[in-house]
Amino acid sequence: GIQVEQSPPDLILQEGANSTLRCNFSDSVNNLQWFHQNPWGQLINLFYIPSGTKQNGRLSATTVATERYSLLYISSSQTTDSGVYFCAAVENQGGKLIFGQGTELSVKP
Amino acid sequence: ETGVTQTPRHLVMGMTNKKSLKCEQHLGHNAMYWYKQSAKKPLELMFVYNFKEQTENNSVPSRFSPECPNSSHLFLHLHTLQPEDSALYLCASSRTQVTSGNTIYFGEGSWLTVV
Repeated sequence: GIQVEQSPPDLILQEGANSTLRCNFSDSVNNLQWFHQNPWGQLINLFYIPSGTKQNGRLSATTVATERYSLLYISSSQTTDSGVYFCAAVENQGGKLIFGQGTELSVKP
Repeated sequence: ETGVTQTPRHLVMGMTNKKSLKCEQHLGHNAMYWYKQSAKKPLELMFVYNFKEQTENNSVPSRFSPECPNSSHLFLHLHTLQPEDSALYLCASSRTQVTSGNTIYFGEGSWLTVV
């Protein structure tokens, strides 16, 4: 099955800084999503992005399907951005939504 | 608010107890999921129901028993659990079982502690 790897595993930022989170996947995908898990456990959908680029406020994401990676950009980070960011993918042949191990982000005031 | 509601949010149970987790979705979806998230580990898929039929059982021990009476409700019945079963249990739903074009939505999770 597909492998999903995220980097870095941990990231500490000062408020106002920008960051880039990476998600590599081992096979072609037809579904890729980014999530933010807050400290209370809630997983919030950020982007559905199997290819291309999308933006939502201070967050944007780009997936280069041919090179099997996706990037999540966070600009002007805020303390409320803290938490764990997951990407998850389904390979083209179908199957389960497989999650990466996450990037734990801590934004300091 | 994602449209997926889980109860209870927190549960402490003894190893001989029987309890249930409940999930309800208000999104008109036809697929529902249980995921387990242990500390410092990625989400692990447990069960999938698509149009009320179980389509995935990811080698889950029989002490976890799912029930899907209709497309809007999903239960996870818990019986004689072990301390290592302590985790965050997340319910999710999607229009149909996740493939191209389907976004999955999660509930707030149920924190389970087995003592």
